Amino acid sequence: QVQMVQSGAELKKPGASVKVSCKASGYTFTDYNLHWVRQAPGQGLEWMGRINPNSGSTKYDQKFQGRVTMTRDTSINTVYMELSGLRSDDTAMYYCATGTGFHLGQGSLVTVSS
Amino acid sequence: QAVVTQEPSLTVSPGGTVILTCGSSTGAVTSGHYPYWFQQKPGQAPRTLIYDTGNKHSWTPARFSGSLLGGQAALTLSGAQPEDEAEYYCLLFYSGDGGVFGGGTKLTVL
Repeated sequence: QVQMVQSGAELKKPGASVKVSCKASGYTFTDYNLHWVRQAPGQGLEWMGRINPNSGSTKYDQKFQGRVTMTRDTSINTVYMELSGLRSDDTAMYYCATGTGFHLGQGSLVTVSS
Repeated sequence: QAVVTQEPSLTVSPGGTVILTCGSSTGAVTSGHYPYWFQQKPGQAPRTLIYDTGNKHSWTPARFSGSLLGGQAALTLSGAQPEDEAEYYCLLFYSGDGGVFGGGTKLTVL
């Protein structure tokens, strides 16, 4: 069955960067885009962008353009989301999701605090 | 960027039927937006109920169904149960612009 396993919680200082990983299994990794979504405490869901694991091409929401980088390693069926210039309002749960069926990972909590 | 709209809140009686809708500021929602529906209960991670307009996952209760209705995406809950009380989000994809979530509908079963 499709499974998305994400890296653990991170505590970062303002201005730092964070890199979250997401390992996919149960389907052919390069067949479908992989998306990143985040949810700040008490807020709604926010689509951040997606990566095509086959070509490596990316599409980012304009809100994150210039601060987010999505990459992949096809040898280990893993995608990465790196967010730079962290601010306190980047504190959120970050989820990856498959492009087919939108199977969500368990989430990775990123806390930005001085 | 497009704005996706949902009812902020809805109430349904136990056993009743309710339709949640998802509209787009750009015009009619079509299958080309690949509408998704998510359920999130307090303190839990969201889970995907419906994908590509009307497809269900193995964990999606049969009482939920997705469709297009009057130019919007719709999530119909038939025979509401107390455990269906949750926040529901829709997601639409726009070619060239990516994905946009709606603001969510808080569903109360009362």
